[in-house]
Amino acid sequence: EAGVTQFPSHSVIEKGQTVTLRCDPISGHDNLYWYRRVMGKEIKFLLHFVKESKQDESGMPNNRFLAERTGGTYSTLKVQPAELEDSGVYFCASSQSQGSMNTEAFFGQGTRLTVV
Amino acid sequence: GEDVEQSLFLSVREGDSSVINCTYTDSSSTYLYWYKQEPGAGLQLLTYIFSNMDMKQDQRLTVLLNKKDKHLSLRIADTQTGDSAIYFCAERGHTGGFKTIFGAGTRLFVKA
Repeated sequence: EAGVTQFPSHSVIEKGQTVTLRCDPISGHDNLYWYRRVMGKEIKFLLHFVKESKQDESGMPNNRFLAERTGGTYSTLKVQPAELEDSGVYFCASSQSQGSMNTEAFFGQGTRLTVV
Repeated sequence: GEDVEQSLFLSVREGDSSVINCTYTDSSSTYLYWYKQEPGAGLQLLTYIFSNMDMKQDQRLTVLLNKKDKHLSLRIADTQTGDSAIYFCAERGHTGGFKTIFGAGTRLFVKA
């Protein structure tokens, strides 16, 4: 079974440009999460989808970030326009059910974004 | 808000035991996790413990939970060079709406 996949694995863009990150969760997982790790700091929650609905977007830094999950399958996270402080590793995770005893969230390999 | 703290670095000799410590603030934490990130790889769930347990052992890994002090530790017995990685402590509970709250990660160096 395929795990959580993220694309691209690396992206280097100039300040002011737009970048779109993609996450394909494990098939059948309703919950999809985006996280970000800025160098040397903790992994911070950005937002949580349940199917196509945003359950919690309290971690989104500002309105330059837009996440979508049309159809409740894959998700995209767009940064427009990108700033230097947006550099970091963006992780996506998916899980089957929030109420289940098995609450493991499976993480992707992350997208390393560098804004220069 | 919820917070998870852990030391940033740990260096051990091959064959020794490693102990990585973590403290958290959310008293409603239900699940506590240890994730491992090897260079260039994603986050791998190593082990987890429910808040109503105080110990869990899985082969070379031992997790200890002191709920009163909100202290979690991960012990790796007979540490190998392949254990070199960043280890993230994380918790999940009602207060956080079941989102996972991570620490900054402890980088484990294993010297041959």
